[in-house]
Formats: sequence, C-alpha cells, structure tokens
Amino acid sequence: AQTVTQSQPEMSVQEAETVTLSCTYDTSENNYYLFWYKQPPSRQMILVIRQEAYKQQNATENRFSVNFQKAAKSFSLKISDSQLGDTAMYFCAFMDAGNMLTFGGGTRLMVKP
Amino acid sequence: KAGVTQTPRYLIKTRGQQVTLSCSPISGHRSVSWYQQTPGQGLQFLFEYFSETQRNKGNFPGRFSGRQFSNSRSEMNVSTLELGDSALYLCASSLFGRVQGNYGYTFGSGTRLTVV
Repeated sequence: AQTVTQSQPEMSVQEAETVTLSCTYDTSENNYYLFWYKQPPSRQMILVIRQEAYKQQNATENRFSVNFQKAAKSFSLKISDSQLGDTAMYFCAFMDAGNMLTFGGGTRLMVKP
Repeated sequence: KAGVTQTPRYLIKTRGQQVTLSCSPISGHRSVSWYQQTPGQGLQFLFEYFSETQRNKGNFPGRFSGRQFSNSRSEMNVSTLELGDSALYLCASSLFGRVQGNYGYTFGSGTRLTVV
C-alpha cells in the first residue's frame, strides 16, 4: 500500500515571499502520478500541479513549482510570490495505475499581509 | 462548462438512519470517485465507478455503498449511520477514470454530513 506523508501540519509565510511545502511518499511502483491539491474554506479540492513519475523535468505552473526527487521519494511544492488567496490547506497526493488517490495529512498554509 | 455538483451541501442525520448523497459529474465524464474526509483519518478513498460499474473499492464497511447511473450521475448510500460517519464526502469525476494527457480529476465542493 502507498503512503504519503506531509511533515508540516501548519506553515505561515509573508505575502510576496516564497514558501516550500514538503511531501514524501512510499511506493514500490515505478509508474505513478503525484499531485498537489489546494482546499480553501469553500471545501472544493483544486488541482495545483501534477507530476508524472516518468518525467525527470520538474513541473511548473505559474507561481507554483515542484522539486521531484524520485530516488528519495520526495515531492515538495514551492510557492513563489505568495498571495493572500494562497491561504488554504494543501494536500499532496499519489496515484498509481489503480486510479485511486492516496492523500497526505495536509499542510495548513497561512499567508500573512 | 458546469463543474462537479454535489447535493445536498449539508445534511444532519440521526444515528441509525440511512443517507443518500448525490454527485453529478462534469458532462462527458464517465468516472466518478468518492472520498471521505475527517479530521482524524484525513482523506480516504471510498469507491470508484466507471460506466455504471464499480472498479475500485476502499477499505470501508459494507454499510457504505454506491451506484452509477447511465448518465454517469452517482449516488452513495450509508446505512445504519454511526457518529463516526460524520465527515465531508467529496466526489471527483474524470473523463476516463485515470490520468491521461491533460485529463485529470475534478472535485466537487462536497457534502458535509453530521450524524447526531
């Protein structure tokens, strides 16, 4: 069974600064996908960024980028130029060929003005 | 393009009752997955339906069941409710039921179930 661990329950960052959220996972699979989801108070899970394990290049989406270290089974999210609207719960998630998402426990991010 | 719609948004039930939650996927999406979110257990996979067939099932008791209709709308049912079933139930839909190309999973806003 896959496991996903987010070691930072809560983090805070000043507006316009950069913050990095950590995620590690454990799997014996070679082909899989990794995701970061954002859950604001509206409760809807919003996809932030995803990474295919077979791709060595780190994914980037505007202010969001990941540091994917496959050998270390690490998948961290970097948010640059943090904005107040980035305040939310962030979940790291893993998916293998079984199409089931396994989520980490989440990191609550607070962006301070 | 409408997103994933879950109804109702909030629900209060009494222990021992049963409840049915509904999920309307994005038009054209054939896969619907359900997740339970609680403060103690986090997000856990319940089941996935694709073209009216259950393809995957998580580690939940038989009191939790679901189905999918020909129009891809899905319902999940919880019978003999327990206090521990209080949770946010999230539904996610996708075109093929897997990550392919630019296709992924879109979540609804969930149904908040409170069992008293």
